[in-house]
Amino acid sequence: SQQGEEDPQALSIQEGENATMNCSYKTSINNLQWYRQNSGRGLVHLILIRSNEREKHSGRLRVTLDTSKKSSSLLITASRAADTASYFCATDPGAGTASKLTFGTGTRLQVTL
Amino acid sequence: KAGVTQTPRYLIKTRGQQVTLSCSPISGHRSVSWYQQTPGQGLQFLFEYFSETQRNKGNFPGRFSGRQFSNSRSEMNVSTLELGDSALYLCASSFGTSVPSDTQYFGPGTRLTVL
Repeated sequence: SQQGEEDPQALSIQEGENATMNCSYKTSINNLQWYRQNSGRGLVHLILIRSNEREKHSGRLRVTLDTSKKSSSLLITASRAADTASYFCATDPGAGTASKLTFGTGTRLQVTL
Repeated sequence: KAGVTQTPRYLIKTRGQQVTLSCSPISGHRSVSWYQQTPGQGLQFLFEYFSETQRNKGNFPGRFSGRQFSNSRSEMNVSTLELGDSALYLCASSFGTSVPSDTQYFGPGTRLTVL
């Protein structure tokens, strides 16, 4: 079963706009990770945020984490056509249950020229 | 540094057959995890191997099994294939420690089609 839901399920924006996707999860976590997947291919790791962090940046990516609400958001600024992909959040429960990611349902992002 | 490799990339089998998929992790990584991705169920955790031992297991029937070799390479086997086993099978490697946090790196996947 999946840990949580992602919202929206699909998002269509124009190049240059910002894209925001949200992830909710159900149980306590050690960290939360975001991945990108291009059309049926492997997952590419984007960013990891630990449970004691509230915000993290990496290039055009900004991730926030609110453990009290069990939610996270991924913001992609100044989007490009190459950002078109599915984005997944994944939670890691941490020590003792290492390397068992539980994935959300994913957001399909379409960036048009 | 070479990434995670999976072989074969595509596979077509018929119901009742068995299949073996292979995964070579990033050099230095000792943990290999397997995931199944289907349109209906999304990404689901199958199992994880660390230092040749199964450390975690998801909710899949016993037809799904795996093993890990001393060089950390892993194989996954599915016996008595069913139509519902058609999926993209992804493996991921990591150092295998969650302190402080452990990033998993995914391979390109094996697309299995069961006819």
